[in-house]
Amino acid sequence: GESVGLHLPTLSVQEGDNSIINCAYSNSASDYFIWYKQESGKGPQFIIDIRSNMDKRQGQRVTVLLNKTVKHLSLQIAATQPGDSAVYFCAENTGNYGQNFVFGPGTRLSVLP
Amino acid sequence: DGGITQSPKYLFRKEGQNVTLSCEQNLNHDAMYWYRQDPGQGLRLIYYSQIVNDFQKGDIAEGYSVSREKKESFPLTVTSAQKNPTAFYLCASSYWDNQPQHFGDGTRLSIL
Repeated sequence: GESVGLHLPTLSVQEGDNSIINCAYSNSASDYFIWYKQESGKGPQFIIDIRSNMDKRQGQRVTVLLNKTVKHLSLQIAATQPGDSAVYFCAENTGNYGQNFVFGPGTRLSVLP
Repeated sequence: DGGITQSPKYLFRKEGQNVTLSCEQNLNHDAMYWYRQDPGQGLRLIYYSQIVNDFQKGDIAEGYSVSREKKESFPLTVTSAQKNPTAFYLCASSYWDNQPQHFGDGTRLSIL
């Protein structure tokens, strides 16, 4: 069945460096993707989304890249800060009526001082 | 401020007991969802509701029940039939089913 997964379960980066978090998806019909950030004991927060008619979308310090050929999604965080420490996970949706999101297990990002 | 409120933050269940988790939103969203989060796994959908007085089973509905009598409220009951209820439960809402979901801060359920 369809699944969304992550290559790396944990990622440690130095403060100020850039972070790259990856996500692989298996449903070629998916056309809408979201990245969420979840801090310990909290609910997930929307970071950025992208539709399949785009390859790249930028937000504040974050960029999402979509490679439909290899069904791969990445989240880039520029100048990583301690407040970025959290679990990040992606979600996919085919956009069809009644279709729910499929969520990946997440990557834990730890920012080192 | 608009948002989703889940209560309680921590909940303990005794054997054979049903417990109800509260979820309220003031975002005027039509769709609401309940997810279960276990360590190392993605969110798994328990139940969802696209409109008042209507709801559908998700991937892991067994042992759970819901109601949607008001647009703002979507309580989840964890019944005694759910043999492994220990988890972090998240409620979410969205304008429609393929729109970004807003999440509450969760309820952590444990067994006494």
